[in-house]
Amino acid sequence: DAGVTQSPTHLIKTRGQQVTLRCSPKSGHDTVSWYQQALGQGPQFIFQYYEEEERQRGNFPDRFSGHQFPNYSSELNVNALLLGDSALYLCASTRPPDTQYFGPGTRLTVL
Amino acid sequence: AQSVTQLDSQVPVFEEAPVELRCNYSSSVSVYLFWYVQYPNQGLQLLLKYLSGSTLVKGINGFEAEFNKSQTSFHLRKPSVHISDTAEYFCAVSPHYGGATNKLIFGTGTLLAVQP
Repeated sequence: DAGVTQSPTHLIKTRGQQVTLRCSPKSGHDTVSWYQQALGQGPQFIFQYYEEEERQRGNFPDRFSGHQFPNYSSELNVNALLLGDSALYLCASTRPPDTQYFGPGTRLTVL
Repeated sequence: AQSVTQLDSQVPVFEEAPVELRCNYSSSVSVYLFWYVQYPNQGLQLLLKYLSGSTLVKGINGFEAEFNKSQTSFHLRKPSVHISDTAEYFCAVSPHYGGATNKLIFGTGTLLAVQP
């Protein structure tokens, strides 16, 4: 049984570009959350998707957007990249009443 | 709003010694509590969780934690650590509303550095 998978593993972009990160949830899970973990910090909640809709959102600007597909996989899009967007982006999946399982993350570097 | 404080950014300890990693939280609503571990260049792995019931919770790899509502604490303990326990440990809370799948609010983490 595959756990949560994320792609790509690493990504390098320049300021102003746009990026798309992908997440496939653990089998049987229908809810996907995204977190941003800056270096030396704890993860910060970006948003959560359920039934292809954004259900909750953290304190992130509109440059951060997402999508959930009918197969429950999800994408995180970030527009107009800033240097401060450099971080590890973590995806977590769950299905009530289970708790959240995290993927290995995508390391984004913005130059 | 909720917040989590992990006062110790780094805890050095010798192998086979006991360890306690401290976690305090603040919340205006009831919360669920979690400890996650992150090994270098990896994602987060759930160590243990408190949802309800007994305040002493046992997790994987010999770790346990005790929920203290009056002190709003959820400290993590292990009686004897191994070199392989070296990792970053994160305490997290999740508000009760919305169930246990609600968003997680994390502390800044504690690096457990086990020395031979």
